[in-house]
Amino acid sequence: GQQVMQIPQYQHVQEGEDFTTYCNSSTTLSNIQWYKQRPGGHPVFLIQLVKSGEVKKQKRLTFQFGEAKKNSSLHITATQTTDVGTYFCAGQGGGFKTIFGAGTRLFVKA
Amino acid sequence: DTEVTQTPKHLVMGMTNKKSLKCEQHMGHRAMYWYKQKAKKPPELMFVYSYEKLSINESVPSRFSPECPNSSLLNLHLHALQPEDSALYLCASSQAGLPTYNQPQHFGDGTRLSIL
Repeated sequence: GQQVMQIPQYQHVQEGEDFTTYCNSSTTLSNIQWYKQRPGGHPVFLIQLVKSGEVKKQKRLTFQFGEAKKNSSLHITATQTTDVGTYFCAGQGGGFKTIFGAGTRLFVKA
Repeated sequence: DTEVTQTPKHLVMGMTNKKSLKCEQHMGHRAMYWYKQKAKKPPELMFVYSYEKLSINESVPSRFSPECPNSSLLNLHLHALQPEDSALYLCASSQAGLPTYNQPQHFGDGTRLSIL
C-alpha cells in the first residue's frame, strides 16, 4: 500500500538555526499537506501543495513539492522557540484517504 | 479555539464498558474523519464519512463503531476495548472537495482514552 516516509525523526537546533524535514512517497501523490502539532495539542493545518514543482512560502516557512509529486520538504529559516512541535506531512493519492508521515519532532534551544 | 469540538476530553473505561466519543463541527464540512494517535506516532486514519455515508473503513476492529447522525455530528461507539486501544482519538472535518484531492482537515482537540 501507499507509504509516506519522513525524515529526520528528531531535530535539535539552536534558536536562529535553520531546519528542514523531508517526505517521500512510494507512489505519486495527488497533493500533499503539512500539519504542525504542538506538544499536547492537535494537528493544525499549515499548507497544501497540489502542483508539480510548487513552492509556497509562509513567513519563515518554505514548502516544496517535487516535480514527480512524490516528495516534499518544509524548511524553516531562523527557528524560534515557538516553532517547537512535530511537523507532519500528509499525502493523498485520491479520494479521502490521508497517509501521514511519521513526523519530525523539532526541539529549539533558546 | 478549535472549530471542531470533541467530548469528552478524557475517558477512562474498563474493558467491558460501552462508551461513546462525540464530535461536532459547524463549518458546513461534509467530510468527517476519525483518527487514532498513539504517543509520538502520527495519526492513523480509522474512518471517513462523506455526506453522512461511510466512505472509508481502514479495517478497524468491530469493537469500534462509527455513526454519523447528521452533517454536523460524528460519533464513535466503543465496546469491549482492549488495553492497546488506549490512545488519543482525533476527529477532523473538511470540505468534501473534488474526488481528485482532499481539502485541508480541521482537527478537534481529541479524546484521551485509557482502557483499564
